[in-house]
Amino acid sequence: DTGVSQNPRHKITKRGQNVTFRCDPISEHNRLYWYRQTLGQGPEFLTYFQNEAQLEKSRLLSDRFSAERPKGSFSTLEIQRTEQGDSAMYLCASSLLGALNTIYFGEGSWLTVV
Amino acid sequence: DQQVKQNSPSLSVQEGRISILNCDYTNSMFDYFLWYKKYPAEGPTFLISISSIKDKNEDGRFTVFLNKSAKHLSLHIVPSQPGDSAVYFCAASEGSSSNTGKLIFGQGTTLQVKP
Repeated sequence: DTGVSQNPRHKITKRGQNVTFRCDPISEHNRLYWYRQTLGQGPEFLTYFQNEAQLEKSRLLSDRFSAERPKGSFSTLEIQRTEQGDSAMYLCASSLLGALNTIYFGEGSWLTVV
Repeated sequence: DQQVKQNSPSLSVQEGRISILNCDYTNSMFDYFLWYKKYPAEGPTFLISISSIKDKNEDGRFTVFLNKSAKHLSLHIVPSQPGDSAVYFCAASEGSSSNTGKLIFGQGTTLQVKP
């Protein structure tokens, strides 16, 4: 399977714990995106990378959130001191440079904070 | 501030008939629009797109219409098939961010196609 891969697919954590999600994009894609989707809503943009550079962060990305793409390949999204409001699906997507209709999404990582 | 709105949470149509999904937007700077389909437990998959310089784009059974003056777009599926049952998201990109891949999504419309 050469699509966007995310893991873990599901994570249940206690409030206050840290969690990390990993995304492996399509290999030739230099753009990588993180979105968040809550129940009944569409995906909301969080941040994106071009190669290893993080070029934009949404105001939704509080100080407790950090994303990295150390070698321009896979990416991690870490949430520190999780809160119940962080419960959502975290979607990763990748694309070729500037090609909006080639944005491919992964299956998402479900986070439940209890 | 919901810049992209899909006011119908759900739609049910009979197999073989036309499905029309609607989307409204408020930001006049949006210049590229996309429709995504999402099955349960899967990520959204790209369906069809349209640039603001066009008013129609067709791909097989799927056609997207854009009315810029009304800030409205619609997705037509003809004929509808049971496999089309999914959540459909409308998304838009602003001129300044069309090169970043930052998409603004609507809330989604759940389409059910009955056999």
